[in-house]
Amino acid sequence: GIQVEQSPPDLILQEGANSTLRCNFSDSVNNLQWFHQNPWGQLINLFYIPSGTKQNGRLSATTVATERYSLLYISSSQTTDSGVYFCASTQGGKLIFGQGTELSVKP
Amino acid sequence: KAGVTQTPRYLIKTRGQQVTLSCSPISGHRSVSWYQQTPGQGLQFLFEYFSETQRNKGNFPGRFSGRQFSNSRSEMNVSTLELGDSALYLCASSLERLAGDEQFFGPGTRLTVL
Repeated sequence: GIQVEQSPPDLILQEGANSTLRCNFSDSVNNLQWFHQNPWGQLINLFYIPSGTKQNGRLSATTVATERYSLLYISSSQTTDSGVYFCASTQGGKLIFGQGTELSVKP
Repeated sequence: KAGVTQTPRYLIKTRGQQVTLSCSPISGHRSVSWYQQTPGQGLQFLFEYFSETQRNKGNFPGRFSGRQFSNSRSEMNVSTLELGDSALYLCASSLERLAGDEQFFGPGTRLTVL
């Protein structure tokens, strides 16, 4: 089945810094989504981005399906951005997740 | 519009018992899927239901089962609980199908098996 590799696995930032999270896929990318898991475990939708670029405030995402990767940009990071970020793609009727990037933003 | 709701939020069971978790999708959503999250295995797909039928199933033993009702609400059941079943169980809903629509997740049920 499809393999989803997220990098980096961990990231520590100073408040105000920018960062880029990456997702690589071993197979074709379908219906890609980015999520932020809050401290209580809920997955919060960030982007539904099968292809192209979208922006929402300080966050933006780009998916290049032909090259099997997606990027999540966080600008001017805030302590509330801390948590785990997941990308996921569908294959064979299943949603397959990466292992996540754990982001810690220090004040 | 209300989001996906899951009950209960927390559950403690002992080995050998069985458990039933409930998920109510966003109004109008007809597809419900379930996921297990553990520190070792990450987020893994359990199954998807649509129109009261299981449409896809992940790689889990038969102790894990589910069903969907005519109002799209779904339940999942785990029988003969094992310590390794301790996990966060998440459900997600989408309009028509997991494979083509954006997924929206509930807050999860945290199951502890003692």
